[in-house]
Amino acid sequence: GQNIDQPTEMTATEGAIVQINCTYQTSGFNGLFWYQQHAGEAPTFLSYNVLDGLEEKGRFSSFLSRSKGYSYLLLKELQMKDSASYLCAPYNTDKLIFGTGTRLQVFP
Amino acid sequence: GAGVSQSPSNKVTEKGKDVELRCDPISGHTALYWYRQSLGQGLEFLIYFQGNSAPDKSGLPSDRFSAERTGGSVSTLTIQRTQQEDSAVYLCASSLMGGTGELFFGEGSRLTVL
Repeated sequence: GQNIDQPTEMTATEGAIVQINCTYQTSGFNGLFWYQQHAGEAPTFLSYNVLDGLEEKGRFSSFLSRSKGYSYLLLKELQMKDSASYLCAPYNTDKLIFGTGTRLQVFP
Repeated sequence: GAGVSQSPSNKVTEKGKDVELRCDPISGHTALYWYRQSLGQGLEFLIYFQGNSAPDKSGLPSDRFSAERTGGSVSTLTIQRTQQEDSAVYLCASSLMGGTGELFFGEGSRLTVL
């Protein structure tokens, strides 16, 4: 089975930094994805972590600790367009299971 | 096309009717997923196809739901005797390989059961 936990909602101010946490318990862990989903649109890929540590990609970074079953997504220099849901998705054996997502609202 | 294609984009049906939703994955992608997303909720896993292996149906909510994938390409999700709680967006995604491949999503089929 699998259990994925992330905050339901977060708010932040334009230009700030926000960290979205995700804890998970899965069997046969192969890696963890983060996806972004704007309202009414399909999810789009943000990052993929297999090894422990921080992966940086522009304004977005993702961290993974396999031993702790923990990941976070770090968003820097927030922009209004970053208002969206952020979905944590660990691989469970060989299929991708999504958390319920964190809805981030960025205010001016 | 270059992306995952789903049809219909919108479907309104009456309670008790059967519906079929179609997904055309990216050419060459061996893995195909169906997810369901109710309004304001996360993605609920339904079913997973990987190559010629038996599909993982562990997420199907009831025996009214079924899916097939013909020739390792196009997939059809069938919901029989639809209920109002089936109303949701049904998302299809494909990846080049199962296990580690990035998922590419279609735009979804929005199902409304009256």
